[in-house]
Amino acid sequence: QVQLQESGPGLVKPSQTLSLTCTVSGGSIRTDNYYWSWIRQPPGKGLEWIGYIYYSGNTYFNPSLKSRVAISLDTSKNHFSLKLTSVTAADTAVYYCARETTSYIAFDIWGQGTTVTVSS
Amino acid sequence: QSALTQPPSASGSPGQSVTISCTGTSSDVGGYNYVSWYQQHPGKVPKLMIYEVNKRPSGVPDRFSGSKSGNTASLTVSGLQAEDEADYYCSSYVGSNNWVFGGGTKLTVL
Repeated sequence: QVQLQESGPGLVKPSQTLSLTCTVSGGSIRTDNYYWSWIRQPPGKGLEWIGYIYYSGNTYFNPSLKSRVAISLDTSKNHFSLKLTSVTAADTAVYYCARETTSYIAFDIWGQGTTVTVSS
Repeated sequence: QSALTQPPSASGSPGQSVTISCTGTSSDVGGYNYVSWYQQHPGKVPKLMIYEVNKRPSGVPDRFSGSKSGNTASLTVSGLQAEDEADYYCSSYVGSNNWVFGGGTKLTVL
């Protein structure tokens, strides 16, 4: 059973870079069946797709965040990472990593989520 | 891309049916059969309930069904049960490897 687990700092200062990692267990990240995604949810609000990475290293981002986002893959550690630069209070959210499957064309497995607060 | 439009709330009594709508445009909901629905209980992780408009993953009760007409997708929950009370989010593929979610609907079981 594939499981995803987010990790990273829970507090980031304004204008700094948010960095999170999602560790995949129970399966390999190096497969052509999946896109490895980041999705966030501000407090009391809805979900927002941030972007995803394919095993080849190709990345795709939400146009509204594209200028500040990077997603990378480390197949040796079976994890993928998110970097969001120049953060503001509006970036405070629960950040989820999730798997998008080409079998379902949907996000079928999600991590537990990690809360990131942007504050000085 | 703009968020898909969902009603903020919906409700029904146990045993009844309730339908939640998700309205987009011809560039998202209307243009692709890649609409999915997620259930999220308070403080919990979203769970995939419907994919590709009307398909259910293994383990999801057949009380949950999906449909689409034009630029509007719908999730119907039949035979409402107390445990169905949750937030529901729709999502659509919008092309060029991009996705958009709806604002969410809080379903209350009266």
